[in-house]
Amino acid sequence: DSGVTQTPKHLITATGQRVTLRCSPRSGDLSVYWYQQSLDQGLQFLIQYYNGEERAKGNILERFSAQQFPDLHSELNLSSLELGDSALYFCASSGPGQGQDTQYFGPGTRLTVL
Amino acid sequence: QKEVEQDPGPLSVPEGAIVSLNCTYSNSAFQYFMWYRQYSRKGPELLMYTYSSGNKEDGRFTAQVDKSSKYISLFIRDSQPSDSATYLCAIGVRTYKYIFGTGTRLKVLA
Repeated sequence: DSGVTQTPKHLITATGQRVTLRCSPRSGDLSVYWYQQSLDQGLQFLIQYYNGEERAKGNILERFSAQQFPDLHSELNLSSLELGDSALYFCASSGPGQGQDTQYFGPGTRLTVL
Repeated sequence: QKEVEQDPGPLSVPEGAIVSLNCTYSNSAFQYFMWYRQYSRKGPELLMYTYSSGNKEDGRFTAQVDKSSKYISLFIRDSQPSDSATYLCAIGVRTYKYIFGTGTRLKVLA
């Protein structure tokens, strides 16, 4: 158990809908990362937050957004969902410093868009 | 050319074999290297982390980095069926952004 929790484990929804994925980092970690993993693309970095502020952006679509709250949990919002958004979404955390690089992953949320 | 290349496998070996998993990268600025193990439908689990050229050993696992060749390897000695998983390399710069390989699927046959 990495100490990173994600909810829900599974999510099934329809095209055009909006969903919210939630992540709680390990105790003491200030950085949260979001990744998308699909069969053909591998693990793709989406976005990083550090202590409530956006730190880095990767291949995140404009339909997707994220935030990190004062209690350090994070949410990833996916809107106008398309079939191609079906994937595993992982959250990882590291910390407490900005330069802490070792990332610990949560169990993931499996999103299925029908 | 992808920034990080990893042979997707699958790689099948008999129990007890030595396994060699490899990644190459293109950016000489990369200086942090990690190996993750991912079981089916689970999150990646950190196995090894290094930032220098040379070898780092942890039990049956050895991570090797050759910065001059931009090549990293993970060796698994005395492989076990429980080692069957997908192995991901992650390579990056210090502050935040790692690039993951697509993963190599390993199957250790009993």
